[in-house]
Order: sequence, then C-alpha cells, then structure tokens
Amino acid sequence: DAKTTQPNSMESNEEEPVHLPCNHSTISGTDYIHWYRQLPSQGPEYVIHGLTSNVNNRMASLAIAEDRKSSTLILHRATLRDAAVYYCILRDAGEYGNKLVFGAGTILRVKS
Amino acid sequence: DGGITQSPKYLFRKEGQNVTLSCEQNLNHDAMYWYRQDPGQGLRLIYYSQIVNDFQKGDIAEGYSVSREKKESFPLTVTSAQKNPTAFYLCASSRRQGLSYNSPLHFGNGTRLTVT
Repeated sequence: DAKTTQPNSMESNEEEPVHLPCNHSTISGTDYIHWYRQLPSQGPEYVIHGLTSNVNNRMASLAIAEDRKSSTLILHRATLRDAAVYYCILRDAGEYGNKLVFGAGTILRVKS
Repeated sequence: DGGITQSPKYLFRKEGQNVTLSCEQNLNHDAMYWYRQDPGQGLRLIYYSQIVNDFQKGDIAEGYSVSREKKESFPLTVTSAQKNPTAFYLCASSRRQGLSYNSPLHFGNGTRLTVT
C-alpha cells in the first residue's frame, strides 16, 4: 500500500502558484520525499526530492513540514504544460529504497 | 543525450504467447526497474535489479521474468502465466542507492501491451 496520501485532483489557473499537498504520517528517519509527474501516455518525470530542508530547483520547490509528516510541492507559476498526474512517494535510503510505492497521485488541471 | 529507451511503443499479442519488452539505458546507472500501470492507477513494481546478474522480485512478479546480463539492458518477458497482461509497462533506472545518497528514478516512455 502507498505510504503517502494525496488529493485525487486539483485545479489551478494559468500563471498562478499551485500548492500540491502530500501526507506521509508514517515516514521514517531514512525516507526521502520524492515527487514525480506523469503526462498521458508517457513515463513519469522526476521533479524534486528532499529529506528535511526545503528544496528548490528550476521546476519547483519542495516545502517539508518540521515533523516531516507532510510536504508540499510548489509550482510557482502554473502553465498548461504543468497539467499532469503528480506523485509523492517515499524512498528509503539504502537497499530498501528500491521498492518504491506509487499511489494514484493528484491529477492537476490547469485552466487558461 | 542520455536516457532510457523502451521499444516498441505499442505491442499486440495473442493470448498464450510469451512476449519480451526491451529496455536500454545509456545513463551508466547500476539499478534498473520494471513497473506496470493500469488505467487510472499508480505504478506497481514487477522486478528490480541493483547490479548486473542480480535481480529481485517486486510486488507483482508472478507471470513475469527478467534478465540482467548487461548493465545497460533489462528486458522483461511477459509469460503466458500472467493472467491479465494488458497494461502500460514502464522501465526505469537510477544510480545505486547509498545510505548517504538518494537517487531519483529516470523513466522510459513505456510500452503499451495489448493481449487479445
């Protein structure tokens, strides 16, 4: 079973920020938080990952709660190309991190 | 550019036939993975391999087989024993996991298999 909980779907307007939440109340100390997104009929694309501190890259920002039981993926200015399914997953450090569990994710719709 | 190539994009087979899906990567990654995705669902792990000549079963390995004879290649065979083989199959690779390093997965664009 997936170790993360995400809303089934969210909607955003183009050019506005989007905050995609993820709950992971059973996270362990060695779990990294990963985000991927998937366009229709394509493989998932890596977005960002982090352990404890907030992370930024050219695609997005990842805000991690102090207790690490939740996180938020932030798209600063949504575009139509950001419409996708977003997956939040936990990846254990070490060998056990090979058994990744992908839930159903959040379908993000972007309106023009 | 480095990446993962899955071929073919679409594959059609008759029930009772084995079929092999190709996955090649030129990222020099040690670890490779096979996932299955059904409509509206998340990804489920079939097999993974951390290193050449070694592989482990994932959550839904029954009816599937793999080999890892070369670092860059991880073919998946869907056998006639797989009861519901029609699905979207995704291959991925990553650097080998380490306790001080956590590597993202790189995915191919998938093979859509239809068995009738």
